[in-house]
Amino acid sequence: EAGVVQSPRYKIIEKKQPVAFWCNPISGHNTLYWYRQNLGQGPELLIRYENEEAVDDSQLPKDRFSAERLKGVDSTLKIQPAELGDSAVYLCASSLGRLEETQYFGPGTRLLVL
Amino acid sequence: LAKTTQPISMDSYEGQEVNITCSHNNIATNDYITWYQQFPSQGPRFIIQGYKTKVTNEVASLFIPADRKSSTLSLPRVSLSDTAVYYCLVALRGDYKLSFGAGTTVTVRA
Repeated sequence: EAGVVQSPRYKIIEKKQPVAFWCNPISGHNTLYWYRQNLGQGPELLIRYENEEAVDDSQLPKDRFSAERLKGVDSTLKIQPAELGDSAVYLCASSLGRLEETQYFGPGTRLLVL
Repeated sequence: LAKTTQPISMDSYEGQEVNITCSHNNIATNDYITWYQQFPSQGPRFIIQGYKTKVTNEVASLFIPADRKSSTLSLPRVSLSDTAVYYCLVALRGDYKLSFGAGTTVTVRA
């Protein structure tokens, strides 16, 4: 069974440029998560989807971050414009549904903003 | 939101048992605690999950005391390949929120 797929794996951009990350969850997983992980810290939830619906986006900086999960399968997270402080690893995870279900993480996208 | 705290780091030697405690003061009776392991340049990977007393699988045990203010991940007889960062995650069903700890770096030496 294929795991969670993320692309790109690495991205280097200049500040004020836009950037987008893509995630394809495990087949059959209704819930999809986007996390940001700063160096030496635990994952910080940005947004959680149940199918197409964003059920928790309370930690998503909505002035510059946006996300979508059309058709309830793959998802895109966008930053526009990027700031120096956005340099981090962006992790995508998926699970079957309930909040306590095991999350399966992708390898992450490492973003460096110069 | 319940704050989840864990030690920053722990050192051990091959063959020893490693116990990592996670503090979570305000969790409900049916809130689950899950532990994940993360290696460099990889996403976290599930180790074990429980919500009361003791759970054991082929790689670890999870102990949750009656007051549920903390939980302890136990790794028996660690090897060099167990060197990683370990995260505690609490699923707060009442608030419908997730709370990750900052991670414990476990270093296993020969």
